[in-house]
Amino acid sequence: GAVVSQHPSRVICKSGTSVKIECRSLDFQATTMFWYRQFPKQSLMLMATSNEGSKATYEQGVEKDKFLINHASLTLSTLTVTSAHPEDSSFYICSASLDGYTFGSGTRLTVV
Amino acid sequence: AQSVTQLGSHVSVSEGALVLLRCNYSSSVPPYLFWYVQYPNQGLQLLLKYTSAATLVKGINGFEAEFKKSETSFHLTKPSAHMSDAAEYFCAVTSNFGNEKLTFGTGTRLTIIP
Repeated sequence: GAVVSQHPSRVICKSGTSVKIECRSLDFQATTMFWYRQFPKQSLMLMATSNEGSKATYEQGVEKDKFLINHASLTLSTLTVTSAHPEDSSFYICSASLDGYTFGSGTRLTVV
Repeated sequence: AQSVTQLGSHVSVSEGALVLLRCNYSSSVPPYLFWYVQYPNQGLQLLLKYTSAATLVKGINGFEAEFKKSETSFHLTKPSAHMSDAAEYFCAVTSNFGNEKLTFGTGTRLTIIP
């Protein structure tokens, strides 16, 4: 079945630094990938839709300059949290679709 | 616009008892519906999906769900709960399978009582 690999699974960074999260579709090509954010004990909130070869489409209220999304190939999308602050600490999950929506295992970001 | 409502943020059942998690949707077009399970600090695993074929959908781990258009519901059931079923469950909807975002419900935390 379709597999989406997300890396890293956990990252701790200092306030003001940038962090890159990778999302790869391992055995299929994904023209569209989705990035979600999940706060503790809450549901998933879509941040942006990532389309290969074009600019990402961000949801209302998501700062595109803070959350940079790049979808350079059909198997890789990256989310970069720039100048991270403690309020950016969260669980970030990517998703790609082949026959249904497959999710990565998530990245726990802690900004100290 | 589409939305999903999951009734009951917390559900507790005894081991071996019936599991029923409720999901109602709102959609102006025929929906595609999904149930996912999430274990702590992990991503989401697909349990089952409805894509306008059979209204009774069977999924993994003994779960199934029935699409009822008249009730705008897609409740998730399992005849006999197992301790390993304890997790967070999310219902989700989309109007364009694969190309459009999923809209999630608020989730239901399932606790299994030994």
